[in-house]
Amino acid sequence: QVQLVESGGGVVQPGKSLRLSCAASGFTFSTFAIHWVRQAPGKGLEWVAIISNDGGIKYYADSVKGRFTISRDNSKNTLFLQMNSLRAEDTAVYYCAQSSGYYYPAFDIWGQGTMVTVSS
Amino acid sequence: EIVLTQSPGTLSLSPGERATLSCRASQSVSSSYLAWYQQKPGQAPRLLIYGASSRPTGIPDRFSGSGSGTDFTLTISRLETEDFAVYYCQQYGSSPVTFGQGTRLEIK
Repeated sequence: QVQLVESGGGVVQPGKSLRLSCAASGFTFSTFAIHWVRQAPGKGLEWVAIISNDGGIKYYADSVKGRFTISRDNSKNTLFLQMNSLRAEDTAVYYCAQSSGYYYPAFDIWGQGTMVTVSS
Repeated sequence: EIVLTQSPGTLSLSPGERATLSCRASQSVSSSYLAWYQQKPGQAPRLLIYGASSRPTGIPDRFSGSGSGTDFTLTISRLETEDFAVYYCQQYGSSPVTFGQGTRLEIK
C-alpha cells in the first residue's frame, strides 16, 4: 500500500524547535523529489519546501527560509523537516507530498498530516 | 512568484448541476504543470487533474480540466453529493510551487 505517514507534531512555545518526520512505504521513495506543504487552520494550502531525490537540492518558501531545514534519509525511506525559531504563524497541519511518477510532477501521494501548534 | 487566483470563492449548487471553477495565473503557466486538487474536511488533498486536463486513474470522468496560459478551468459535469468540498489549483512550472486560495463548493 502506497503511503506517507507524518509524525512529530505537537504544541511548542514560540522560539522553540520541532522536528517532523514523514515515513514512506509501498513505493520507491528515492526516485523523486518530495515536498512539505502546510495548511493553517481554516486556510488554504501553502508550499513550504522541496528536496531533490538525492537530497542535493533544496528550496524553501520565503516564509520559512533560514528557520526550517528539509532533509531525507533514502536508506530509511524518511523525510524530515527541522523547524527552528517557531512563530505563531507556523501553526498549521504539515503534509508531506510526492509524485509517484505516473502523474509527474503533480502530487498524487499525500500523508494524513501532522498538526503543529505554536503557542505560549 | 506566480500568484493563482481562484473564483468564485464559494459556489452554491445542487446535486446534478454543473460546476465551473476558475483559476487565473499572474503569469503564463506551462500546461504540463497545472493541477487541481480536492480537499474534504479533515482529509489530505486528492489529485483530480494534472497537466491541466488529464485525469489520474480512478478519478470519475465527470471531472474535467481545460485551459492554457493564464486561464484554467475545472468543470464537474453533474455534481454528486461527495463532490461538495474545497478545490485548489496548483502550478509547478515555476519556483516556488504555488496554490490558489481555493473554491468552496457547497450544497445549495
